[in-house]
Order: sequence, then C-alpha cells, then structure tokens
Amino acid sequence: SQQGEEDPQALSIQEGENATMNCSYKTSINNLQWYRQNSGRGLVHLILIRSNEREKHSGRLRVTLDTSKKSSSLLITASRAADTASYFCATDGGAGNMLTFGGGTRLMVKP
Amino acid sequence: GAGVSQSPSNKVTEKGKDVELRCDPISGHTALYWYRQSLGQGLEFLIYFQGNSAPDKSGLPSDRFSAERTGGSVSTLTIQRTQQEDSAVYLCASSLLGHQETQYFGPGTRLLVL
Repeated sequence: SQQGEEDPQALSIQEGENATMNCSYKTSINNLQWYRQNSGRGLVHLILIRSNEREKHSGRLRVTLDTSKKSSSLLITASRAADTASYFCATDGGAGNMLTFGGGTRLMVKP
Repeated sequence: GAGVSQSPSNKVTEKGKDVELRCDPISGHTALYWYRQSLGQGLEFLIYFQGNSAPDKSGLPSDRFSAERTGGSVSTLTIQRTQQEDSAVYLCASSLLGHQETQYFGPGTRLLVL
C-alpha cells in the first residue's frame, strides 16, 4: 500500500472557494512535500514541510502537518480555474527512504 | 536555467519491441529518478541514481526494465519486449543532492504499447 494517501480522491468547487486536501501516511518522516500535476504530465513542486514544522504558507497555499496523527493538509484559498489539477503528497518515509507519492486528489475549480 | 527534459514526448510501439526513453536532468543535479504513472494513478518509483553510487533499482517491475546514467548526467530507461501493461507516462526527475529534497520533473514520455 502507498505511504501517502490523499483524500478526497476528487474535489469539485466553485471559483473563489477554498479547497482542502488531506494526506495520511504510515511511517515516520523527515519531510512531506506537495506537488501539482496538470494534464498527466510533469509534476511541479509546491511546498515542503519538515517534520519539526506544523504549518507553512506560500502565497494562497497553506500546509499543515500533524506528526502525531501522521497527516497533512493542503489548503488552497480563493481558488481559481487555473488551480484545476491533480495534487500529490510525497513522503520520505524517514531514515533516508525514497519519496513515496500518494494517489493524488483531482481538483476541479469551476469558473 | 533549463529544466529536466525528456524524449520522446510520445512513443507508440508494438508489443514485443524494445523502447528507449531519455532523460536530461538539470545541470549539476546529482540525483535522478524514474517513475511510472498509469492513467489516473499516482507515481510508481522505478529507479534512483545518486552520484557515482550503485543505483537503487528496487522499483523496477521486471527484468525487462533497465536504466543507466552515463557520466552522471543523461539517463536512458530501456524496456525490452514491451507488453501492453507497460503503457503509461514515464516521468524523470532530478534533485540537487538527494531524495529528500525537492524533485524537479520533466514533462514525461507517454508510452503506448499496441
């Protein structure tokens, strides 16, 4: 099974609304990363949060990390149609392990 | 500077043929990764190169898959005797130092095996 698993698998919202995606993982981590993918092509790194951090912001993105619950959330505020994409979390599994990507959340923002 | 590039963008091949996919990482990046992504799915790790160390091949699904990285830069992923289930997008990524850092992805190669 995957180290990181996102929910929901799909999310549809109206432009201007906030979008929240969650990621759960199983083992301890050094850091957790969120990536975005448009149209099934290359992924773009959004944000990295380290295990000793609880919250991080980047523009309209807000990421939280709860290591006690082994979960993270990605919040996109004031969504735009251009935010339509798939969003993946990736964890390193701690102890120098490889990044493992979850199955992703497909976000659709309707204009 | 230039990002990660991959070629070809798309490849259609017949079952049983061999294919080679190429990845040019960002200059100076010591780590290079190959992933596979089936339609609507997450990324499946295939292989990881780090500097001059022996590659981590733990994700390769069968012995039909192999990869090499020449001169610490360009990498080639080879699939021999392709099968229909090999159809997927093959993504390459590189990072400056190691696998815990931000990975920069190429646009991928979409492989279709008929």
